[in-house]
Amino acid sequence: GAGVSQTPSNKVTEKGKYVELRCDPISGHTALYWYRQSLGQGPEFLIYFQGTGAADDSGLPNDRFFAVRPEGSVSTLKIQRTERGDSAVYLCASSTRTGNTGELFFGEGSRLTVL
Amino acid sequence: QKEVEQNSGPLSVPEGAIASLNCTYSDRGSQSFFWYRQYSGKSPELIMFIYSNGDKEDGRFTAQLNKASQYVSLLIRDSQPSDSATYLCAVKRGAQKLVFGQGTRLTINP
Repeated sequence: GAGVSQTPSNKVTEKGKYVELRCDPISGHTALYWYRQSLGQGPEFLIYFQGTGAADDSGLPNDRFFAVRPEGSVSTLKIQRTERGDSAVYLCASSTRTGNTGELFFGEGSRLTVL
Repeated sequence: QKEVEQNSGPLSVPEGAIASLNCTYSDRGSQSFFWYRQYSGKSPELIMFIYSNGDKEDGRFTAQLNKASQYVSLLIRDSQPSDSATYLCAVKRGAQKLVFGQGTRLTINP
């Protein structure tokens, strides 16, 4: 596709449930990022993939959060035993490996609401 | 201390004036700095990057970097209502990761 695609755009779930958020990056982009943005805050880094491997997962808040990118393209962010504090917009971004412009191309986000 | 700090605003500027947005960062070793714009309900988009001390101009936008003071700013000349958005300052950490500030909400008043 032309841009980064994220599904679902909105997800409402109950506390304790399991959630999967999907990201389809721009074709040919080897780097993929997950960020979380709460209201009135900037994006908070969660994890970054270069190809299939997680190059930096230092932003994952705890072991309830996990992300995969098995074929180096689509990525899934998985949240177990959701808590109300997990409510936020989850942003996915992709970029090319080469160059140093730092330009991340963001998707429109998945808004997660945990009741 | 947050790694990247911005005044959350809101900053209100009359149409046609210069809007000045500021950002400080804590890691003295940081080399690459970015300004993203985020319209309400939309995703961030890159508007400028700067690596060297001094000014960098692109149309109505000028980014300024002072590594000694650990300070980055963005000037928007001839502000337009369409410039109303949240402006996010970001600093590159390591090879590829960007750390964002909380953003400054800018409103341009016609």
